[in-house]
Amino acid sequence: DTAVSQTPKYLVTQMGNDKSIKCEQNLGHDTMYWYKQDSKKFLKIMFSYNNKELIINETVPNRFSPKSPDKAHLNLHINSLELGDSAVYFCASSQDGAGGITDTQYFGPGTRLTVL
Amino acid sequence: LAKTTQPISMDSYEGQEVNITCSHNNIATNDYITWYQQFPSQGPRFIIQGYKTKVTNEVASLFIPADRKSSTLSLPRVSLSDTAVYYCLVGPSGGGADGLTFGKGTHLIIQP
Repeated sequence: DTAVSQTPKYLVTQMGNDKSIKCEQNLGHDTMYWYKQDSKKFLKIMFSYNNKELIINETVPNRFSPKSPDKAHLNLHINSLELGDSAVYFCASSQDGAGGITDTQYFGPGTRLTVL
Repeated sequence: LAKTTQPISMDSYEGQEVNITCSHNNIATNDYITWYQQFPSQGPRFIIQGYKTKVTNEVASLFIPADRKSSTLSLPRVSLSDTAVYYCLVGPSGGGADGLTFGKGTHLIIQP
């Protein structure tokens, strides 16, 4: 069983569209994250949720809106997609509610988003 | 926010010991050092974490000198499957985004 799963694995769409990426973890963890890995391979945190509450919100355009219906799910909705949004998006989870670097993070397989 | 510097790439051969060094001159007193491994088309995977001296697990060892301004990830007897990108992260425990930017990492290539 996959610990952290994401759907879809690939997403190709036109500029201006709205799309969502789903993430689920079956590890019973309290904290979930979204990361973006750009073409230069930098992997940067976007958001972090602890028990459905937002605890980290980095400088991300407000076109990106995370939604956590329960602590096992953290979905990412992106409005008005732009070319620069093309990247691989990773979901992750960790046990500790405090989050941060000392919490071992378990990553999903990634979603490759291509905006045309 | 401690910044890290790693070599962009390294090459080695199967069976060798590989040491990847990360510089973090501005490390703070409450910062920890964590290493992750990422294979192509996969998310990163935790390898090891430490605060000072030496930490060893079944996969790797982490050496941290007394001044903590650098750290070395040591992979014993590497195999082809160790070809991956290795990220060094430095940041405080207890929350926040500090230290959660992975940077470019070190691309390790193992040859037969």
